[in-house]
Amino acid sequence: NAGVTQTPKFRILKIGQSMTLQCTQDMNHNYMYWYRQDPGMGLKLIYYSVGAGITDKGEVPNGYNVSRSTTEDFPLRLELAAPSQTSVYFCASSYYTPGGRGQETQYFGPGTRLLVL
Amino acid sequence: DAKTTQPNSMESNEEEPVHLPCNHSTISGTDYIHWYRQLPSQGPEYVIHGLTSNVNNRMASLAIAEDRKSSTLILHRATLRDAAVYYCILRSSGTYKYIFGTGTRLKVLA
Repeated sequence: NAGVTQTPKFRILKIGQSMTLQCTQDMNHNYMYWYRQDPGMGLKLIYYSVGAGITDKGEVPNGYNVSRSTTEDFPLRLELAAPSQTSVYFCASSYYTPGGRGQETQYFGPGTRLLVL
Repeated sequence: DAKTTQPNSMESNEEEPVHLPCNHSTISGTDYIHWYRQLPSQGPEYVIHGLTSNVNNRMASLAIAEDRKSSTLILHRATLRDAAVYYCILRSSGTYKYIFGTGTRLKVLA
């Protein structure tokens, strides 16, 4: 049981380039999330998904896109990289059941460090 | 979304108890209080959560004030491995989101 895995671990992009950050979980969790963490700051939610085919915006969605075609995978796409997107990106997942509303815990991946120059 | 307030940093000596406070004066009746920690260069990891009663697990204890406007994470015996940023988060039953603040950076002195 690998939990939440993310690739790549580190990437340097030039301004205007695009890339996809990969996230996979093997815990059959229905909810998945993407966060970014700027230096010295807490995590900010970019996008989340409550199940395959369903995604929604978080606090800071501009400049990003997501898709969720399977339960396991939740890739994050940067179309036109900008220096402001230099950050560490964390993917997380959780299992929500109606009776446990508010109690479910999130499991985080190790992060992808992105530098845009 | 209800917010939390935590001290920016705290220090503790190794093998001593640590009490990490969190204020959440606008908490609603159905908000769960979650604590996560983030070790250096890692993703956050779950520590403990509770609603009204105090909670214990193998990692820590959570003490919740009677009016629920504050809570305290208790590490009973700090080790060097406990040096991390600790986040207190309110988890609302009406939303799927977690709102992370800047947390408390705990330094453990040998």
